[in-house]
Parts: sequence; C-alpha cells; structure tokens
Amino acid sequence: SQQGEEDPQALSIQEGENATMNCSYKTSINNLQWYRQNSGRGLVHLILIRSNEREKHSGRLRVTLDTSKKSSSLLITASRAADTASYFCATVPYNTDKLIFGTGTRLQVFP
Amino acid sequence: DGGITQSPKYLFRKEGQNVTLSCEQNLNHDAMYWYRQDPGQGLRLIYYSQIVNDFQKGDIAEGYSVSREKKESFPLTVTSAQKNPTAFYLCASSKGWESAFMNTEDFFGQGTRLTVV
Repeated sequence: SQQGEEDPQALSIQEGENATMNCSYKTSINNLQWYRQNSGRGLVHLILIRSNEREKHSGRLRVTLDTSKKSSSLLITASRAADTASYFCATVPYNTDKLIFGTGTRLQVFP
Repeated sequence: DGGITQSPKYLFRKEGQNVTLSCEQNLNHDAMYWYRQDPGQGLRLIYYSQIVNDFQKGDIAEGYSVSREKKESFPLTVTSAQKNPTAFYLCASSKGWESAFMNTEDFFGQGTRLTVV
C-alpha cells in the first residue's frame, strides 16, 4: 500500500510563479523525501527532511514537515519551464528501512 | 564512479515468457530494492534485500522473484505468473538498515521499461 498521497495530482503554472505541492502520509516516519522524475526517466533526489526538522531549503526549493498533521509541502519558487516533471514524496516509516512513495504531482510550467 | 546500473533500458517480452532485469551497484550498499511504476502513478515496492542471501516481499511481490547471491547484484525476474508486467521498473540501493534512505547517498538506477508484446 502507498504511504503518501500528493495534492494536487496535476498543476499547471506560468514561468516565474511559485508551485506548491502537498503530501500526506499515514504512519510515523524517520524521514520524508521529495523526488523529481522527468517523463519516463529515473528519479532525482531533491531534498530529505528528518522527522525532527520542520523546514528545509535547497536553492529554489522549500520543504516543510508537520508531523502532527502527517503532512509535508514542497514549494518551488520562481518556477522555470525546466521544472516541468512529476514530483513524488516518499517516507521511511518509523523502524523500517523501506522507502514508500506517494502518488505524485505532475507539474507543468509554461514559458 | 560509484553508482547503480540497471540494464537493459528497454525490454520486450512475449506473453508467457520469464524475463530477468539486472541491477548492479558498486556503492558497497547492503540494502537493495525493486520498485514498479505504472503510468501516472507512484512507485510500489516489489522486493527488497537487507543483506546478501536474504530478501523480503514488498507490497506487490506476486509474479516476481529475486535473488541476492552477491552484495553488488539484485536481479529481478518477472515470471509468466505476473498478469500485468508492462511497467517501468526501478532499482535502488541504500547503505543499510540503520541508515536506510537517511541520506542523499542512497541511489536509484535509471530504470528498465518492460513491455509485453
């Protein structure tokens, strides 16, 4: 069973706008990660946030984690056409070594 | 350069045939994983191995088999019992139980796209 669900399933924005994707999960976690996947390609690791962290930044990416609500958000600021891809959250449930993926958000950035 | 390699990139199989997907890593990682991805969906865990000569079923193991005879290799066989084998298959590796996917040194391969014809 999948641990996480992303919202929205699809998002279309113009270049320069910000994109926000949300992820909800079901069980306690060790950490949560966000991945990017270009169409039909492998996964690119974007950012990892541990269960004792609340916010993390990496370049134009900002990730928040609310363990009380079992949710995370990924914000991409000043989006570019090259950001067009699918974005997945994935969690390592507490006391496991498995990485469980959400269903993904398909982001389309129009030039 | 260290990394994880999946081969082939594209694979075609006739119905009723078994096929084996290769996954090799030279990262000295203890744990390895196989995921399946269907169009427009997330990844689902098929099998994983925490150590050589040991492996466990994931969420969708039916119709698949694996072996872990060497630390570097974790081949996945898609058997004729798998009813809908056409999918994108991703292999991953991780340092091990205590640090599994706890840092950015855990890797995914580039995937194998399997099509049943």
